[in-house]
Amino acid sequence: DAGITQSPRHKVTETGTPVTLRCHQTENHRYMYWYRQDPGHGLRLIHYSYGVKDTDKGEVSDGYSVSRSKTEDFLLTLESATSSQTSVYFCAIAPYNSPLHFGNGTRLTVT
Amino acid sequence: QKEVEQDPGPLSVPEGAIVSLNCTYSNSAFQYFMWYRQYSRKGPELLMYTYSSGNKEDGRFTAQVDKSSKYISLFIRDSQPSDSATYLCAMSAGNSGGSNYKLTFGKGTLLTVNP
Repeated sequence: DAGITQSPRHKVTETGTPVTLRCHQTENHRYMYWYRQDPGHGLRLIHYSYGVKDTDKGEVSDGYSVSRSKTEDFLLTLESATSSQTSVYFCAIAPYNSPLHFGNGTRLTVT
Repeated sequence: QKEVEQDPGPLSVPEGAIVSLNCTYSNSAFQYFMWYRQYSRKGPELLMYTYSSGNKEDGRFTAQVDKSSKYISLFIRDSQPSDSATYLCAMSAGNSGGSNYKLTFGKGTLLTVNP
C-alpha cells in the first residue's frame, strides 16, 4: 500500500449530507492525488496537491473540495453528497521520479 | 476520440498461455507509460513503467511502446491463476509530479487465468 492509509474503507451516507474522506501517508511525499473509479469510466482525477495548502483541480472536481494542512494528510470533502458520487475513491502519492502509488480505496455509497 | 482506449475484455485464458493486453492513445505529448494491476477491492499496483518507445522486461512481463503508432502492449508469459486481475494502462506527459504528472488511464481489461 506504499505507506498510504485511506479512511474510512467503506461508508454509506444519505443524499445532501457532507462527507470527508481521509488519506494519510507515512513517507513525506510532496504530491498527493484523489481519483474516483467508476465502471465504464476508469480512474479519473478529482483534485491533487503539490504541497501544504497548495491544491488544484482535476477533470471531475465539481462537488468536491480538498484540504491539505499537513504534508501527511490530504482530505477530500463532498460538500453535499449526491447519488452520482457513489464510487470508489483512491488516494495516490507520487514518489520522486516514480509513478503514482495508490491506497486501497474508500467505497462510498450515497443513498 | 478518447485519449486512451483499452479493450475491457473480459479475457479468459488457460494457465500457461501468453497474454497480450493493449492500449491505443491519441495524445502525442505522452512520454511515460505504465501498466497497473488491480485485484478485486484493492488499489492499482504498479507493474511496469517505461519511458518513450521500446521494450522493457521484468520476469514474465514485457511492456512494449510504439510511439509512432501510439500503441502500447503488455505481454504476460506462462500466465498463472494469480495473474487474474484487471490491468490498467496509464500514461502521462511528464514525471515531475503535479500537473505534469496527471495520469490518463485506460478503462482496464479484466483477465482471468483458468487452472
